[in-house]
Amino acid sequence: DIQMTQSPSSLSASVGDRVTITCRASQSISSYLNWYQQKPGKAPKLLIYAASSLQSGVPSRFSGSGSGTDFTLTISSLQPEDFATYYCQQSYSTPRTFGQGTRLEIK
Amino acid sequence: QVQLVQSGAEVKKPGASVKVSCKASGYTFTSYYMHWVRQAPGQGLEWMGIINPSGGSTSYAQKLQGRVTMTRDTSTSTVYMELSSLRSEDTAVYYCARQIVGATNGHYYYYMDVWGKGTTVTVSS
Repeated sequence: DIQMTQSPSSLSASVGDRVTITCRASQSISSYLNWYQQKPGKAPKLLIYAASSLQSGVPSRFSGSGSGTDFTLTISSLQPEDFATYYCQQSYSTPRTFGQGTRLEIK
Repeated sequence: QVQLVQSGAEVKKPGASVKVSCKASGYTFTSYYMHWVRQAPGQGLEWMGIINPSGGSTSYAQKLQGRVTMTRDTSTSTVYMELSSLRSEDTAVYYCARQIVGATNGHYYYYMDVWGKGTTVTVSS
């Protein structure tokens, strides 16, 4: 199975900050990497697919980059509604593994 | 609009089985694979498996093999996830999620674009 490791596990930031979350795969997954946002008590929401493609309706302050084993999710200017938990997920092979999550908290 | 409506919360005793449903609407049911993902309290997301609603073929997570069964009913556009021999560690919110295949730069990519709201399954004696 492909292991996905996110860092950091948690992060405190302020509104307006630029934030970067990283995700590393245990083997090359090309660009088969998706990012999801989850708020408490809610289902995950797709933000980015194919490593860098923005899902329709997602604000442009979200961006993704990377290929192979190393990926990043960047939020250019944090908004109050962005405080949530973020997960990366590989779609290169089954099982479709997720990272352990990064909890983004208000400083 | 595309919707996945899941069945209600369940409370089960250890050793019992649970069957969760996910009814799709707003799109052609047989054209999109469906995933099941679960989340234990305070934990991350765990992929359980995938079903092809067209032919019914499935692929399950190794750790759940032998206990999980995913089926579908094309007449009602519903997929089901049944988990047997329940144990306390199966207490979680269970989600269904539609798989989309998108083409970018000449390659096909897979992602979960629409999710159900989740079904809470509690296993307790």
